[in-house]
Amino acid sequence: KQEVTQIPAALSVPEGENLVLNCSFTDSAIYNLQWFRQDPGKGLTSLLLIQSSQREQTSGRLNASLDKSSGRSTLYIAASQPGDSATYLCAVSPASGGSYIPTFGRGTSLIVHP
Amino acid sequence: DAGVIQSPRHEVTEMGQEVTLRCKPISGHDYLFWYRQTMMRGLELLIYFNNNVPIDDSGMPEDRFSAKMPNASFSTLKIQPSEPRDSAVYFCASRRGQGYGYTFGSGTRLTVV
Repeated sequence: KQEVTQIPAALSVPEGENLVLNCSFTDSAIYNLQWFRQDPGKGLTSLLLIQSSQREQTSGRLNASLDKSSGRSTLYIAASQPGDSATYLCAVSPASGGSYIPTFGRGTSLIVHP
Repeated sequence: DAGVIQSPRHEVTEMGQEVTLRCKPISGHDYLFWYRQTMMRGLELLIYFNNNVPIDDSGMPEDRFSAKMPNASFSTLKIQPSEPRDSAVYFCASRRGQGYGYTFGSGTRLTVV
């Protein structure tokens, strides 16, 4: 059974710092990995989707990398801003089973203070 | 595109009452998922549909929970009777085909008193 771990569980940084959020998974046979952002009391907003054949995806100040062999993905946030404060979750979809139903991590709660 | 639309946004009900949550997926998405989120357990998959057919309901906690998808643009999750431990945020998500990313709705925050 796939297990997805996100470390750290919580992070508080001053504005302007470059950040790395980690997502590790136990089964490297994945189809894709998706990063989400969740604001308090809100739903999940998709940030980046990385297919298993890709090494990274970029969107603005966000860059997500994928290393299947080591079972790891990182979300890099450049020049963090208070508006980046949210919980970040990763979801890993398996390559087998046919339905690609993902396993979610518990998330990293990020606070960027001015 | 209006995204995945859920209603109501908030629901407060008394123990024993029936609760119905509603979801409209994105047009053209053939997968629909119901999740429950709590602080203790995180995100839990309750059930998912493909082309309106329930595929896996193994995550439905008890027989008190039921879900339907009568057509491609509408799904319901019903709890009858509701209990305080059902209090959580319930999310609906949809996906276009296998292997594509998910789009989540804004969720329904359910409080059972």
